[in-house]
Amino acid sequence: QKEVEQNSGPLSVPEGAIASLNCTYSDRVSQSFFWYRQYSGKSPELIMSIYSNGDKEDGRFTAQLNKASQYVSLLIRDSQPSDSATYLCAVPDMEYGNKLVFGAGTILRVKS
Amino acid sequence: DGGITQSPKYLFRKEGQNVTLSCEQNLNHDAMYWYRQDPGQGLRLIYYSQIVNDFQKGDIAEGYSVSREKKESFPLTVTSAQKNPTAFYLCASSLAGGLDEQYFGPGTRLTVT
Repeated sequence: QKEVEQNSGPLSVPEGAIASLNCTYSDRVSQSFFWYRQYSGKSPELIMSIYSNGDKEDGRFTAQLNKASQYVSLLIRDSQPSDSATYLCAVPDMEYGNKLVFGAGTILRVKS
Repeated sequence: DGGITQSPKYLFRKEGQNVTLSCEQNLNHDAMYWYRQDPGQGLRLIYYSQIVNDFQKGDIAEGYSVSREKKESFPLTVTSAQKNPTAFYLCASSLAGGLDEQYFGPGTRLTVT
């Protein structure tokens, strides 16, 4: 079983700060990486996809991928209280090719 | 409006009863998935289907069954053999499977007493 590891948190940041969420994965040949946001009691919502090494920016969100280190991160700039949620990292299981492996998620709390 | 619908939002059942959770998508996605989420835990894959009339067990398939008779629909039955069925059930779909993004429905919260 492939593994995706995340720090469970909670990660607490003040409003306006940068929140940095990290994810490591065990499968060296993984090709795509996804970040989901899940508000309490709601379903996960896809917020970022990244496929190649480097940074990908979308609004206040930046995903960073380092395949050599098997590490993907999500930066949230100018954090808002509405960003308070659980953030899930997901990586395809390349052996089976048909499913995503999800991390357990990091709880983010943005304090106003 | 394209998306994934799950019904009902909340479901209450007595122990020993089978219950079927509905999942429908109009995104024209080939692949569909069922996950279970317990409080404070991550997502665990129950079953998935890449094409109509074919499906595979996920990590925790025991006590569950599925069918995929239509591309748009992937119902999940929670049988009486499932020892701890109370959970949040999430249906997802993706364009073609594994390497693609998955999109989730709103979920069904099942409580069995």
